Amino acid sequence: DIQLTQSPSSLSASVGDRVTITCRASQSITHYLYWYQQKPGEAPKLLIYAASKLQSGVPSRFSGSGSDTDFTLTISSLQPEDFATYYCQQSYKTPGYTFGQGTKVEIK
Amino acid sequence: EVQLVESGGGLVKPGGSLRISCAASGFTYSNTWMSWVRQAPGKGLEWVGRIKRKTDGGTADYAAPVKGRFTILRDDSKNMLFLQMNSLKSEDTAVYYCTTDPYTSSSGGFEYWGQGTLVTVSS
Repeated sequence: DIQLTQSPSSLSASVGDRVTITCRASQSITHYLYWYQQKPGEAPKLLIYAASKLQSGVPSRFSGSGSDTDFTLTISSLQPEDFATYYCQQSYKTPGYTFGQGTKVEIK
Repeated sequence: EVQLVESGGGLVKPGGSLRISCAASGFTYSNTWMSWVRQAPGKGLEWVGRIKRKTDGGTADYAAPVKGRFTILRDDSKNMLFLQMNSLKSEDTAVYYCTTDPYTSSSGGFEYWGQGTLVTVSS
């Protein structure tokens, strides 16, 4: 299976901060990397697809970059509704989709 | 509007069986591959398995931890997805989400999710 390692596992930030989360794959997954946001008690929501494309309806403060094994999710100016857990996921190997372990973004 | 509504979760003893369901609406279900993803309490997301549309053979694939114990079924006449879980273990305790599979999604990701149903395996 392709392993995805996110860092950090958690972070504390303030409203207005720029936040960056990284996801490293155990082998090249080209651009088949996706980012999700999950709030407590809710299902995950797709934010970024194909490493850098913004899903419809997602605010433009979210952006993704990277290719092959190293990827980044950036929130340019953290808003109160962005406090959540973020997961990366790969669709390069199918079947056998895998997720990162998650990054919890908390209020400082 | 796409809707996925899971049902059938509950408490089951180790070694027992349970079938959970997902009712789909708002899209062409028969043309869509479907997946199940689970989340143990306080833990991350884990893909469980998927089923292809009938035109692609209608077969299912499973993650290693559930292979041989879980079966994914679909009823296209009723727009329903099922997960039959046998020989349940405590480590199967999780919220189970029904999702549209990346293969037939325009984005290549898990685009639509249900609200989840909790399965608890405990004596």
